[in-house]
Amino acid sequence: NAGVMQNPRHLVRRRGQEARLRCSPMKGHSHVYWYRQLPEEGLKFMVYLQKENIIDESGMPKERFSAEFPKEGPSILRIQQVVRGDSAAYFCASSISQKNTEAFFGQGTRLTVV
Amino acid sequence: DQQVKQNSPSLSVQEGRISILNCDYTNSMFDYFLWYKKYPAEGPTFLISISSIKDKNEDGRFTVFLNKSAKHLSLHIVPSQPGDSAVYFCAASEGGNTGKLIFGQGTTLQVKP
Repeated sequence: NAGVMQNPRHLVRRRGQEARLRCSPMKGHSHVYWYRQLPEEGLKFMVYLQKENIIDESGMPKERFSAEFPKEGPSILRIQQVVRGDSAAYFCASSISQKNTEAFFGQGTRLTVV
Repeated sequence: DQQVKQNSPSLSVQEGRISILNCDYTNSMFDYFLWYKKYPAEGPTFLISISSIKDKNEDGRFTVFLNKSAKHLSLHIVPSQPGDSAVYFCAASEGGNTGKLIFGQGTTLQVKP
């Protein structure tokens, strides 16, 4: 049973380009969470999705960021018109249920904006 | 507003001794707490958790203690091993949603042989 798969592992974008980060949850997991880790900081919650639904996006920046988890395929975190401050490690986690079970994290995508 | 705080950025212990990592929180609505371990360039790995209805949970070399009145929890690793060297994150959740977590800043543990 493969773990949470994120790709790409490393992504370099120029300012103003778009970044697409992909996350395939563990088999049987229908809950997906995205986190961002800035240098020297802990992980910050961004968004919680179930299949085809955004449940909680309270941690998402209001502009340029969007997320989806379609019926088929991976979850996508999309950052439009990237800026230097978007450079960070983005982690995806999945869980089998919402309550009282640990979430499993992927290895992350390190985004560098040049 | 840092709701989960790990005030020690780093900790160094000798192999075989006990490592104690501390975590404080401010939100009394948190009802589930977790510890994650993270190596460089990898994602966090779940270690151990505790519900707010308990004050202790043990799993092998790892024990987590929760003091609700002090809003404090700690992770004890005994005996410490060099392979335990990593960054340890304390995390908390509210309403039992253990995927939506509030993380501390992390403590880097170094276990010296």
